[in-house]
Amino acid sequence: DGGITQSPKYLFRKEGQNVTLSCEQNLNHDAMYWYRQDPGQGLRLIYYSQIVNDFQKGDIAEGYSVSREKKESFPLTVTSAQKNPTAFYLCASSIMPGWGGNQPQHFGDGTRLSIL
Amino acid sequence: GIQVEQSPPDLILQEGANSTLRCNFSDSVNNLQWFHQNPWGQLINLFYIPSGTKQNGRLSATTVATERYSLLYISSSQTTDSGVYFCAVGGKTGGSYIPTFGRGTSLIVHP
Repeated sequence: DGGITQSPKYLFRKEGQNVTLSCEQNLNHDAMYWYRQDPGQGLRLIYYSQIVNDFQKGDIAEGYSVSREKKESFPLTVTSAQKNPTAFYLCASSIMPGWGGNQPQHFGDGTRLSIL
Repeated sequence: GIQVEQSPPDLILQEGANSTLRCNFSDSVNNLQWFHQNPWGQLINLFYIPSGTKQNGRLSATTVATERYSLLYISSSQTTDSGVYFCAVGGKTGGSYIPTFGRGTSLIVHP
């Protein structure tokens, strides 16, 4: 079945450590997105990518980095510069870039990141 | 940026009851979607509805773009409807459309 796979489901980070969250899709979608969700809050956009080798900052990009070397993969690195990384991270994709038209978002099951 | 407000923040229903969830947004948008997040955190797209009315089983949605609001109707609610319902809109920032999510409506349906 086509879908979005995020791994791991749970991740623990020590102070000063970088960690990378994986997001893979086999939907042949051009656009991919990373969101952060804090308890009781909506989703906030971290980064998005409209095509391979291109990505743009969202609302809360500080302390995060991404790459898009392959169409199906969009890993997110939470760096030590992100002082409050504990959150639920969701990856999404859509057929075509942008939120300007009929682009239903498809989500992975998320990764819960906690600080040790 | 665009502001998205959802109401009510919390809703508790008995199974079989009907409900209406509201989403207000502060500017014109080209994209509005409703999502359901189940208790395990999985997000499912319910509707893409920048204007007009759509129905899918017991769920329906209406967006009045000129008045900047959208409504999600749940009829004959079931315990499996429990979770958080999010409204998200796409608004233009620079040359791109960026999504903004509301804080959600948390729904609990009791048997």
